[in-house]
Amino acid sequence: AQSVTQLDSQVPVFEEAPVELRCNYSSSVSVYLFWYVQYPNQGLQLLLKYLSGSTLVKGINGFEAEFNKSQTSFHLRKPSVHISDTAEYFCAVSGDTGNQFYFGTGTSLTVIP
Amino acid sequence: ETGVTQSPTHLIKTRGQQVTLRCSSQSGHNTVSWYQQALGQGPQFIFQYYREEENGRGNFPPRFSGLQFPNYSSELNVNALELDDSALYLCASSLIESAEAFFGQGTRLTVV
Repeated sequence: AQSVTQLDSQVPVFEEAPVELRCNYSSSVSVYLFWYVQYPNQGLQLLLKYLSGSTLVKGINGFEAEFNKSQTSFHLRKPSVHISDTAEYFCAVSGDTGNQFYFGTGTSLTVIP
Repeated sequence: ETGVTQSPTHLIKTRGQQVTLRCSSQSGHNTVSWYQQALGQGPQFIFQYYREEENGRGNFPPRFSGLQFPNYSSELNVNALELDDSALYLCASSLIESAEAFFGQGTRLTVV
């Protein structure tokens, strides 16, 4: 069984400041890890994914994440946020069930001008 | 744009009624999954279909059922609607051998 914990439900940050959204997972098998973004009244857009290889993963819109197997974490980072980054962010895991995803409860990122 | 389309975008139903939601997968994709996203929550896996057969199911009762058609379109059917079924329903299109999936914009179902 797999599960995901997003440690922060809401993260306010000033424009051009750095941000980190935290994600921890649990799984008894090897996993694939994902971050999705959801804008109001829209579906999910893939930001980045970790499947194998380098533990530092770069995605769209300047986001990156680092897979840490020993800490079972996959935190999302951006060095300088923009107003347009205001959205809901979901961490997800899939594993032995292929592309069946288990999502965290989400982190609401609000960028303050 | 993910190439995955869902219809309708919004729907209001009365408790006890039945509803059918539709999804058109990305061309060539042989797998479709459905998720329920309640307000303020993350999406929860309902079930997955691969080559028209159910290929995994989450913790949802049998009144949630699905179909996948040869052209890779899909339906989610919910019988005996309950107020708690109010949610955004997302479908995700993929290849069975791929680790990633592409999501549609969702159908917002309100049960009154």
